[in-house]
Amino acid sequence: AQSVAQPEDQVNVAEGNPLTVKCTYSVSGNPYLFWYVQYPNRGLQFLLKYITGDNLVKGSYGFEAEFNKSQTSFHLKKPSALVSDSALYFCAVRDGGNTPLVFGKGTRLSVIA
Amino acid sequence: DTAVSQTPKYLVTQMGNDKSIKCEQNLGHDTMYWYKQDSKKFLKIMFSYNNKELIINETVPNRFSPKSPDKAHLNLHINSLELGDSAVYFCASSHGDGNSPLHFGNGTRLTVT
Repeated sequence: AQSVAQPEDQVNVAEGNPLTVKCTYSVSGNPYLFWYVQYPNRGLQFLLKYITGDNLVKGSYGFEAEFNKSQTSFHLKKPSALVSDSALYFCAVRDGGNTPLVFGKGTRLSVIA
Repeated sequence: DTAVSQTPKYLVTQMGNDKSIKCEQNLGHDTMYWYKQDSKKFLKIMFSYNNKELIINETVPNRFSPKSPDKAHLNLHINSLELGDSAVYFCASSHGDGNSPLHFGNGTRLTVT
């Protein structure tokens, strides 16, 4: 069965600095990888995905993520953090086509002005 | 013009009662889901429907019964509510190809007293 780990409960970064939110996964087949963001009292919003192709994928709000097959990782990055990026971030994985999308436990990002 | 809408937003009820949560999507998706988010923000899939047919049922007590009258609607009925059912329930939808991201509603916060 597929699983995903987000090793950090909380990430703190100063505004303007680069940010990284870590994610590692485990699947038996080809991983379909996603990042979502959740603001308070809202549903999850899709940021970006990796299915196949270029290992560096770009998404909404200036976020990007790098797929690393050898390290089974899919870390979320942004070159310059904004205070408005403060939210809860979820990594998710699907083991190929129609398997359920499984979410990590979430990482709370706090960007300090 | 909300893409995935859930009602009600808040639901407070007593143990033993029966309640329903409604979900509608106007995105033309053929797959709909129910997720449960607990107090620690952990997200777990409950059900998935594709074209009105149940395709995922993840170890959910049979007090929970989803009903999909058509592709655009997936309602959740809960019988004999228990304290442990208190959580935020999210409806989501997507195309059923495995590549497509999920679109989430804003959640229903259920409190059982």
